[in-house]
Amino acid sequence: DQQVKQNSPSLSVQEGRISILNCDYTNSMFDYFLWYKKYPAEGPTFLISISSIKDKNEDGRFTVFLNKSAKHLSLHIVPSQPGDSAVYFCAARRRAGSYQLTFGKGTKLSVIP
Amino acid sequence: SAVISQKPSRDICQRGTSLTIQCQVDSQVTMMFWYRQQPGQSLTLIATANQGSEATYESGFVIDKFPISRPNLTFSTLTVSNMSPEDSSIYLCSATLMNTEAFFGQGTRLTVV
Repeated sequence: DQQVKQNSPSLSVQEGRISILNCDYTNSMFDYFLWYKKYPAEGPTFLISISSIKDKNEDGRFTVFLNKSAKHLSLHIVPSQPGDSAVYFCAARRRAGSYQLTFGKGTKLSVIP
Repeated sequence: SAVISQKPSRDICQRGTSLTIQCQVDSQVTMMFWYRQQPGQSLTLIATANQGSEATYESGFVIDKFPISRPNLTFSTLTVSNMSPEDSSIYLCSATLMNTEAFFGQGTRLTVV
């Protein structure tokens, strides 16, 4: 039973355009969501997060949107750069103070120069 | 943030043998975790490594198969025991500092033949 779902295994975007990565979750107990980026042969690195009390969080070129009623979040990257090419994992945490993460399967983003 | 050194980075092992993976953090961290990523799958939490006491295992993972040690705040080991080809995965060490998101080591790519 997959509680965090990333239904698109891959995404290709032209450099300079917007990349939108999607994530759905099923567990209503999740109250904090994170995005991690992973390059080959490296561990995942934290990118951006959002609390369930917010619907948007922005950090430079990266914005995460949360739609609690739809149990859906998305990561927007604008403008996309070739260095953004990586696997992006959506993750969720069950409650404040809990650091155990539930991950999606990841979406491989390719930004084409 | 802090840096996690994980070794070995990869190994090829015979079935029936055991492999111990080491995780060293360069700061005194709050919590340490071990994850597994099977081919094409998401990162799955194996256990929380507790300092000086038995690890807390997630459903589907048992101490006899994945013994974990954490003798101090900065070091942990995960042993994959009596390996079979189904244990072929990437194993990742993760840690948190106070009020930071989880960060990861580069992972250990294990192939069991």
